[in-house]
Amino acid sequence: NAGVTQTPKFQVLKTGQSMTLQCAQDMNHNSMYWYRQDPGMGLRLIYYSASEGTTDKGEVPNGYNVSRLNKREFSLRLESAAPSQTSVYFCASSANRAPDTQYFGPGTRLTVL
Amino acid sequence: SQQGEEDPQALSIQEGENATMNCSYKTSINNLQWYRQNSGRGLVHLILIRSNEREKHSGRLRVTLDTSKKSSSLLITASRAADTASYFCAAYNTNAGKSTFGDGTTLTVKP
Repeated sequence: NAGVTQTPKFQVLKTGQSMTLQCAQDMNHNSMYWYRQDPGMGLRLIYYSASEGTTDKGEVPNGYNVSRLNKREFSLRLESAAPSQTSVYFCASSANRAPDTQYFGPGTRLTVL
Repeated sequence: SQQGEEDPQALSIQEGENATMNCSYKTSINNLQWYRQNSGRGLVHLILIRSNEREKHSGRLRVTLDTSKKSSSLLITASRAADTASYFCAAYNTNAGKSTFGDGTTLTVKP
């Protein structure tokens, strides 16, 4: 039981490049989330998926797209990376929509040059 | 600003002392959760307190909630070096239907 896994762990992009961050959970959770964490700050919600087939914007969705591929997987795509998107990205899942306990992945550290 | 805001931003204590962190929020909540984040890792859930509860315990953790003051506190008793981490509150906003995290308190426990 791996919990929540994320790939890659580290990534360096040039401005304008695109990439997809992958997230998978094996806990049969319905809800999944993408957050970003900037240095010295808390987490800000980018997008979430309350259940398979649905996605909703969070606080900071601009510049990102998501896909809930199936119940297990929730990907985050940066179409044209910008230096302001340099951050650590965390995926999380919960049995149901908040306020259930969220289980977090180890994070992806992204640097955009 | 963030729904949850922790205070202080940083706290440094000696092993064996108690550590208290506070969280304030602005709107009505259904529950409030505390998470711990070790350096370079994801967040780990510690404890959840519902809006109709005033106090909750889990091992060396004690959480209080005062809905009239829109605040919560996390007390870690008899701290250990392994408690060194950042601690975040996450307030579940009933109207928004999602949790919002504060900026965290960084706790350093010196052996």
